[in-house]
Amino acid sequence: GAVVSQHPSRVICKSGTSVKIECRSLDFQATTMFWYRQFPKQSLMLMATSNEGSKATYEQGVEKDKFLINHASLTLSTLTVTSAHPEDSSFYICSARETPGHLPITDTQYFGPGTRLTVL
Amino acid sequence: GEDVEQSLFLSVREGDSSVINCTYTDSSSTYLYWYKQEPGAGLQLLTYIFSNMDMKQDQRLTVLLNKKDKHLSLRIADTQTGDSAIYFCAESMTGGGNKLTFGTGTQLKVEL
Repeated sequence: GAVVSQHPSRVICKSGTSVKIECRSLDFQATTMFWYRQFPKQSLMLMATSNEGSKATYEQGVEKDKFLINHASLTLSTLTVTSAHPEDSSFYICSARETPGHLPITDTQYFGPGTRLTVL
Repeated sequence: GEDVEQSLFLSVREGDSSVINCTYTDSSSTYLYWYKQEPGAGLQLLTYIFSNMDMKQDQRLTVLLNKKDKHLSLRIADTQTGDSAIYFCAESMTGGGNKLTFGTGTQLKVEL
């Protein structure tokens, strides 16, 4: 149980285009999803917290107009990188927190496998 | 803000014990976690410890917490080649389902 998928796993795009990344909780409902960014050989940096049915909360320094987040259902959140540039190339990881009522003893978030974005 | 540090690299022989260390700065950290990341994959929660605990053991994994020194360690007994991965410690004030601050990650290489 508690599987999170991401699609696509890898994407290469031209500079100036927009890219959408999907994050799905496959066997549980997630009111909260998180989006992280990971540079090579570095840690995960939280970009934003996405709550179903409301606007995402962005971390300081993250441009909300560039990284559009939509959490339209309890099992799906999307991250759209608009007008992508080479500096946006990174590994993007989402995680999902199970809706209360189905929680294990320890509240936790389950991570997706990540999406490698390369902007040419 | 919070700062979580780890050494970048650790190499051990198969069968030996591995000890991965982590230091954090936020004294209000309540929940501390260890995650494993295999190449090209997301993070897998290995174990956790609450700040009112000193030690937790789970099969081959032992977590030690020195709250006074803000030092956390993960010991892997009988390390196997399948343990080769990047290990992240993470801390949260409000629980693992909320905002996590990750360490810099330690790459563990297990040699035959």
